[in-house]
Amino acid sequence: KQEVTQIPAALSVPEGENLVLNCSFTDSAIYNLQWFRQDPGKGLTSLLLIQSSQREQTSGRLNASLDKSSGRSTLYIAASQPGDSATYLCAPSTGNQFYFGTGTSLTVIP
Amino acid sequence: DAGITQSPRHKVTETGTPVTLRCHQTENHRYMYWYRQDPGHGLRLIHYSYGVKDTDKGEVSDGYSVSRSKTEDFLLTLESATSSQTSVYFCAISDRQYRTDTQYFGPGTRLTVL
Repeated sequence: KQEVTQIPAALSVPEGENLVLNCSFTDSAIYNLQWFRQDPGKGLTSLLLIQSSQREQTSGRLNASLDKSSGRSTLYIAASQPGDSATYLCAPSTGNQFYFGTGTSLTVIP
Repeated sequence: DAGITQSPRHKVTETGTPVTLRCHQTENHRYMYWYRQDPGHGLRLIHYSYGVKDTDKGEVSDGYSVSRSKTEDFLLTLESATSSQTSVYFCAISDRQYRTDTQYFGPGTRLTVL
């Protein structure tokens, strides 16, 4: 069974800082890995999808990397803004299933 | 945003009663999923479907059943609700095509079992 760990569980940074969120998983035989954000009381919004053959994926101020062999992915957020405050979750997929970490709760302080 | 709706959005019920949650999509995606989200556990897969009448169990399927008679609808049934099934339930869809294998989530259903 895939185990997904996200560190740190919570993070508070001042506006404008660059930051890195970490995701590790135990089974490296993944199909792809997806990063989501979740605002309080809301559903999940897809941010980035990295295929297993890719090493990086970028969208605006977000950059996600994947090291499949070591079971790690990182989400880099550049020039953080208060609107980035949310919980960020990673989800590697194995076969027909996606497995979720418990997320990193990010607070960006104006 | 992907066209996914969930109904009801909120429900309070009593222990022992049956409950059915509905997920409806307008994207014609092949795969549909039901997750539950609980503090400290993240999202856990209950059941998923890979086509009409094709379903399989996820990590936490005990006490739940599903049905998919049409591409657009995926129903989750709690045959006899228990307090441990109090949770937020999310439906998700996916096309499972290479390079478009993104999951899209519905807004969630908050279920309280008293």
